[in-house]
Amino acid sequence: AQKVTQAQTEISVVEKEDVTLDCVYETRDTTYYLFWYKQPPSGELVFLIRRNSFDEQNEISGRYSWNFQKSTSSFNFTITASQVVDSAVYFCALSEGLAGNTGKLIFGQGTTLQVKP
Amino acid sequence: KAGVTQTPRYLIKTRGQQVTLSCSPISGHRSVSWYQQTPGQGLQFLFEYFSETQRNKGNFPGRFSGRQFSNSRSEMNVSTLELGDSALYLCASSLAQLATNEKLFFGSGTQLSVL
Repeated sequence: AQKVTQAQTEISVVEKEDVTLDCVYETRDTTYYLFWYKQPPSGELVFLIRRNSFDEQNEISGRYSWNFQKSTSSFNFTITASQVVDSAVYFCALSEGLAGNTGKLIFGQGTTLQVKP
Repeated sequence: KAGVTQTPRYLIKTRGQQVTLSCSPISGHRSVSWYQQTPGQGLQFLFEYFSETQRNKGNFPGRFSGRQFSNSRSEMNVSTLELGDSALYLCASSLAQLATNEKLFFGSGTQLSVL
């Protein structure tokens, strides 16, 4: 069965600190996709990144970076020099790499990040 | 380009009633998915529609149903409401041009309260 675990329920940091959000996944599929979404107080989930199981390259986008390690089934997310606007709930998600499987994601429980000024 | 639009934003119903939620996807998007979000269970997949056909379904009872129209707009219906159905219902759309697993664009959700 597929499962995503985000062990950190809440994290509180002071602005400009670096913070890493952990994500561990379980799947028997050899082809799968991993995602990170951000949910601000307004409610809609905002896409951050999509990575397939064959691409283990780390990725950096501005202050955001992602570390994908298949050996430990982890897909961690780091925010460098955090800002108050980064305060939100962050979700890691997994989907099977089957043809026609676009909308079905397995989400972790989410990590609430609070960045204090 | 307008984002995913969900109506209404808030709903209050009583047990036993039924409710219909609406979702208008981004123009050109052909896939619409629905999710239920609760504090206890988190985000759970309900179902996905593509070209007016349900092509994926989560583990929810038959009281939860949906449909998609020819213009890709979607509705979901919950019959015989229970207190546990109180949740934020999120709709998401995607182009679905690739075979699989594209990013989803989410609406702001409908907050349903069952009294």
